[in-house]
Amino acid sequence: DAGVIQSPRHEVTEMGQEVTLRCKPISGHDYLFWYRQTMMRGLELLIYFNNNVPIDDSGMPEDRFSAKMPNASFSTLKIQPSEPRDSAVYFCASSWSGAYIGNQPQHFGDGTRLSIL
Amino acid sequence: AQTVTQSQPEMSVQEAETVTLSCTYDTSESDYYLFWYKQPPSRQMILVIRQEAYKQQNATENRFSVNFQKAAKSFSLKISDSQLGDAAMYFCAYSLYGGATNKLIFGTGTLLAVQP
Repeated sequence: DAGVIQSPRHEVTEMGQEVTLRCKPISGHDYLFWYRQTMMRGLELLIYFNNNVPIDDSGMPEDRFSAKMPNASFSTLKIQPSEPRDSAVYFCASSWSGAYIGNQPQHFGDGTRLSIL
Repeated sequence: AQTVTQSQPEMSVQEAETVTLSCTYDTSESDYYLFWYKQPPSRQMILVIRQEAYKQQNATENRFSVNFQKAAKSFSLKISDSQLGDAAMYFCAYSLYGGATNKLIFGTGTLLAVQP
């Protein structure tokens, strides 16, 4: 079975440019999460979706960040304009809520290492 | 707010020996899940083991087991017969029980080195 697929794996761009990170969740999963990992702040949740609807975006650092999920099989995280402090590894994860109330484990993609020069 | 604390930034173990990684958490909820994730240098996040708070029995997955102390809000990971491939960053994580909220709250991680 295919896991969570993220692209690109690495992205290097100059400050001020628009950056778009992509994620394809596991088929059938109804939750999708975007996390950011930095040395200073560790792993932190940016936003998550349930059935393509954003549920909690309180972790999005500022208006330069936006995320969309136009359908069940695709999500994007966009940064415009990008800044050097946005350099981090960005992970996408998906999970299935199941037929009963309860948590299911999240499955992570391999992450996108973003470097803003 | 829920928090997860890993007080050991780095640990080291000899191959074939046993090591225990510590994790404490703070929550006012009674139903929740706890997880240990492994992140090797390839940076994948790999689920190692998970524990439901309502279960008294400690979870076990092959060489990995946990010591879950709900009253103490402690959730340690024991790795038995350590192997070189166990070298990685290990993250403890918390998730609220319930269908509406699945987000993971992570600790700061413990970097485990395995010495041959």
